[in-house]
Amino acid sequence: DAKTTQPNSMESNEEEPVHLPCNHSTISGTDYIHWYRQLPSQGPEYVIHGLTSNVNNRMASLAIAEDRKSSTLILHRATLRDAAVYYCILRDGTGANNLFFGTGTRLTVIP
Amino acid sequence: DAGVIQSPRHEVTEMGQEVTLRCKPISGHNSLFWYRQTMMRGLELLIYFNNNVPIDDSGMPEDRFSAKMPNASFSTLKIQPSEPRDSAVYFCASSLKAGPSYEQYFGPGTRLTVT
Repeated sequence: DAKTTQPNSMESNEEEPVHLPCNHSTISGTDYIHWYRQLPSQGPEYVIHGLTSNVNNRMASLAIAEDRKSSTLILHRATLRDAAVYYCILRDGTGANNLFFGTGTRLTVIP
Repeated sequence: DAGVIQSPRHEVTEMGQEVTLRCKPISGHNSLFWYRQTMMRGLELLIYFNNNVPIDDSGMPEDRFSAKMPNASFSTLKIQPSEPRDSAVYFCASSLKAGPSYEQYFGPGTRLTVT
């Protein structure tokens, strides 16, 4: 699977938007971009995914660069409950079905 | 829906004992995954099933680990004999279908401690 690069940590103030970046310069045309998060002492939680177009759901928005070599997860108004480790994962359309979790970005939300 | 259910939530056992972890996937989901999480190695896939059939077990550490899925609503991960290095949080996840466009739903995990 192609690899992703994320900052180790980020901070945000409560009720402000958060932009979590992810670089995936070796992405292939069949790779889907998935985001998961893991709150303390919980299992990973699906956030959003996309292929080429930007995506919105009730949790977040996913902005995908035109060349698909990077993407940004957008939390529109951070809450304390959003403090978690966020993982950007590429899923190969022709390969295995597992998720490869890297080290992710630890988001701290400041009240 | 109750989500993915795992039991037990915590397990403490002595080295050499058999350990069995259980998972009930979300009803209607055809794919099931077992992951292990440690501080040193992060989250790693152990095995996954599609329609109750094991598809990829390349992540299973060694012969001491085995997994079964006798029906669509139940799976087990067994460690025999257990060793201290098996101490980790074990997650079960399920998805509607196999494939890169389907999201996975994770259970709360089983924290295993082998002394």
